[in-house]
Amino acid sequence: AQTVTQSQPEMSVQEAETVTLSCTYDTSESDYYLFWYKQPPSRQMILVIRQEAYKQQNATENRFSVNFQKAAKSFSLKISDSQLGDAAMYFCAYRSAVGPFGKGTKLTVNP
Amino acid sequence: EAQVTQNPRYLITVTGKKLTVTCSQNMNHEYMSWYRQDPGLGLRQIYYSMNVEVTDKGDVPEGYKVSRKEKRNFPLILESPSPNQTSLYFCASSLSARGYQPQHFGDGTRLSIL
Repeated sequence: AQTVTQSQPEMSVQEAETVTLSCTYDTSESDYYLFWYKQPPSRQMILVIRQEAYKQQNATENRFSVNFQKAAKSFSLKISDSQLGDAAMYFCAYRSAVGPFGKGTKLTVNP
Repeated sequence: EAQVTQNPRYLITVTGKKLTVTCSQNMNHEYMSWYRQDPGLGLRQIYYSMNVEVTDKGDVPEGYKVSRKEKRNFPLILESPSPNQTSLYFCASSLSARGYQPQHFGDGTRLSIL
């Protein structure tokens, strides 16, 4: 069975600076997909970025990028030029029928 | 507009009174799933469905039932709710259980069982 671990329950960053959220996972599969979701105070779950395991190139979406290390089973999220609107819970997820999701990291952005 | 619709958004009820949280998607998705979200525990899967009439247990199925009689609907049933089922619930759907397509989430249902 797959597992996902987010070891940072809370993180904070100054506005305009860069922050990295950690995620590690365990799987015996060789082909899979990983996702980061954002949950703002509105409770909506919003897709931030996704990564295909067979692609060596790290995914990038504007200010959001991942550092995907397949051998280390690590999938961290980097947020550049942090903005107040980035404050939210962030969840890492392994895509399969049974999830799973990490426990989340609460990101605070300080003005 | 593509969406997953959950109802109700909020519900306060009492122990033992049967309740149903409805979930409907308009994207013709095969895969649907229910999660509960609790502080410090993240999202935990309750049940999922790969297609019509195909359902299976997730991590925390005790005290819950589901059905998938139609492709678009996946209701969550609490036959005899208890206070430990007080939580935020999400329904989600996707084209398939795996792959590049992310899950689409409903807006959540806040349940309080007194």
